Amino acid sequence: LAKTTQPISMDSYEGQEVNITCSHNNIATNDYITWYQQFPSQGPRFIIQGYKTKVTNEVASLFIPADRKSSTLSLPRVSLSDTAVYYCLVGDPTGGNAGNMLTFGGGTRLMVKP
Amino acid sequence: DTGVSQDPRHKITKRGQNVTFRCDPISEHNRLYWYRQTLGQGPEFLTYFQNEAQLEKSRLLSDRFSAERPKGSFSTLEIQRTEQGDSAMYLCASRLGGGSEQYFGPGTRLTVT
Repeated sequence: LAKTTQPISMDSYEGQEVNITCSHNNIATNDYITWYQQFPSQGPRFIIQGYKTKVTNEVASLFIPADRKSSTLSLPRVSLSDTAVYYCLVGDPTGGNAGNMLTFGGGTRLMVKP
Repeated sequence: DTGVSQDPRHKITKRGQNVTFRCDPISEHNRLYWYRQTLGQGPEFLTYFQNEAQLEKSRLLSDRFSAERPKGSFSTLEIQRTEQGDSAMYLCASRLGGGSEQYFGPGTRLTVT
C-alpha cells in the first residue's frame, strides 16, 4: 500500500481557506486518493475522493497534479466546527487488498481559531 | 449520524475481564469492518466481514480477540482476559460492495484498569 505523508498539525482562522497537502510518492495506477475527517470521540467521516485533476463537492475540493504523487485537500472559508483531524488515504477502492480495508496514517490536526 | 450504531459507547473494565461490543451496520451494507484507534493515532484495521464470512484478520487481532457476524447483520467483537494495552476506541464501519466509502460508527471507548 502506498505510504502517505501529511503535516502533523495546522492552525487557521475562521473564514480562511485551508489547504492540506499529502504526499504519496508510491501511488499505484489503480489507487484513488481519499480524505476522511474525524472529530473527537467520533468515527471518521468520508469527505472526498479523487483519481486525478480536480474534484469538488459541497464540503471540499481535492487537487491532484498530473504525476499524482501528491494531493491537496482544500477547505474553503473554514469555521470553528472544521477543527478536526484530516486523514489522507491512498488505495484501490475496487480491488487490491481483500475487503479494501482503509489504512490510516497519523492525520493532520487542524485547529481553527476565532 | 451515519446510520452505523455501536454499543456500548463507553466501557470500563478491570484487567482480566471479558468484554463484548456490538455493531449494527447500515442494513443493506454487506461489508463490515472493525478498527482500533489509540490516542493520537489513526484507526488500525482489525478484521473484515463480507456478509457472515470473516475474510480478513489483522495480525493485531490476537487469539484473545474474536469477532462474529451471525446472519450477516450485526457484529460482535469480544476481547477475553483484557489487558491495559487493549484500552482504545473500537470503531466499526460498513459499506456496500463495489468501492463505495466506508461509514463509521461512533465507536466504543474501552478503558481497562
